[in-house]
Amino acid sequence: DVKVTQSSRYLVKRTGEKVFLECVQDMDHENMFWYRQDPGLGLRLIYFSYDVKMKEKGDIPEGYSVSREKKERFSLILESASTNQTSMYLCASSLWGTGPTYEQYFGPGTRLTVT
Amino acid sequence: RKEVEQDPGPFNVPEGATVAFNCTYSNSASQSFFWYRQDCRKEPKLLMSVYSSGNEDGRFTAQLNRASQYISLLIRDSKLSDSATYLCAMDSSYKLIFGSGTRLLVRP
Repeated sequence: DVKVTQSSRYLVKRTGEKVFLECVQDMDHENMFWYRQDPGLGLRLIYFSYDVKMKEKGDIPEGYSVSREKKERFSLILESASTNQTSMYLCASSLWGTGPTYEQYFGPGTRLTVT
Repeated sequence: RKEVEQDPGPFNVPEGATVAFNCTYSNSASQSFFWYRQDCRKEPKLLMSVYSSGNEDGRFTAQLNRASQYISLLIRDSKLSDSATYLCAMDSSYKLIFGSGTRLLVRP
């Protein structure tokens, strides 16, 4: 079974703090993704990575950065947290390629509250 | 027009009913389609993949209609445990685009 883990289930941070969200997968997947999910807006892609040290912007990258130093680990960084970044953050991973390799597997999510 | 559209529901059905959701998409180049199930405050979990015209797994059937650009999910003999939000997704340039989900409530 694919296992994707995230460092925290719940996190409360103050406005202006730097926040690190960690994601680790154990299936040797090339692709890793960070999404945020908000009521009525669905899943929105923040950043993704298809290889170590490679990253691509998703649909809403503003206010976020990412780091992928090892294949199994993908970090999301909020440089200066703001209240509009209060959300559920979901990490996912998939194999590289087409067809079945598009199947993404999600971690349990981190519910971040910025006060 | 959104790339992927789903009726948000909720669909409220009795146990044992058959229920179907549709998901329309705008990118005719998409080749891989998926249905995910998401329970309240949990992560999405892959339910079914559709690469050709359809796929069946027990009580669940997914169909793809390329001409009309939609996929559907049919659930037969609904169980209380089927209550969840169902997200459709499809490939778009090595990523997946997700719908906002359809909420299903199965009542006793």
